[in-house]
Amino acid sequence: DAGVIQSPRHEVTEMGQEVTLRCKPISGHDYLFWYRQTMMRGLELLIYFNNNVPIDDSGMPEDRFSAKMPNASFSTLKIQPSEPRDSAVYFCASSPGGRAFRYEQYFGPGTRLTVT
Amino acid sequence: QKEVEQDPGPLSVPEGAIVSLNCTYSNSAFQYFMWYRQYSRKGPELLMYTYSSGNKEDGRFTAQVDKSSKYISLFIRDSQPSDSATYLCPNMNRDDKIIFGKGTRLHILP
Repeated sequence: DAGVIQSPRHEVTEMGQEVTLRCKPISGHDYLFWYRQTMMRGLELLIYFNNNVPIDDSGMPEDRFSAKMPNASFSTLKIQPSEPRDSAVYFCASSPGGRAFRYEQYFGPGTRLTVT
Repeated sequence: QKEVEQDPGPLSVPEGAIVSLNCTYSNSAFQYFMWYRQYSRKGPELLMYTYSSGNKEDGRFTAQVDKSSKYISLFIRDSQPSDSATYLCPNMNRDDKIIFGKGTRLHILP
């Protein structure tokens, strides 16, 4: 299995531009999570999906952030417009579900976003 | 009160030493206890998890849970330079949301 795939691995953009991050979860996993990691705040959950349906988006910082999961093998996290304070590493994770779905998560390599 | 508290480190120990990493948590209803390891510029990976109290051993790693004191520990025996990483012990808050935090940075000195 290829694991969770994220693209791009690095993104540098200017303030005000739209940014789209992409994720392909592990095949057969029912849960997908988006996280943001910074030195100041650590690893924070933004949103998660179950069977392509958003379950909890309370961690999404502002309306500038949106996430979609049009099918079981693809999800996007979009920031529009981007701001310098959005600079962080964004991780996608997937989980097979079951009793420990929140805890047995498999993370992708992350997208390092820099907004100038 | 934070859901999970960890010493951010860095914790530096010589190769071969026993390492003890600790977390305290506040949500007494939590039943699953996990440790994730994150190498620099990589995503976190699940190291081990245990249900409820007690110990769980996996090779050089032992996870210990003390629910009475809300304390979680990870012991690494015969530590290796390859164990140098950040270790995270996520927990669930009262809104049923997983909280990872910043973790503890560990350096094993050759």
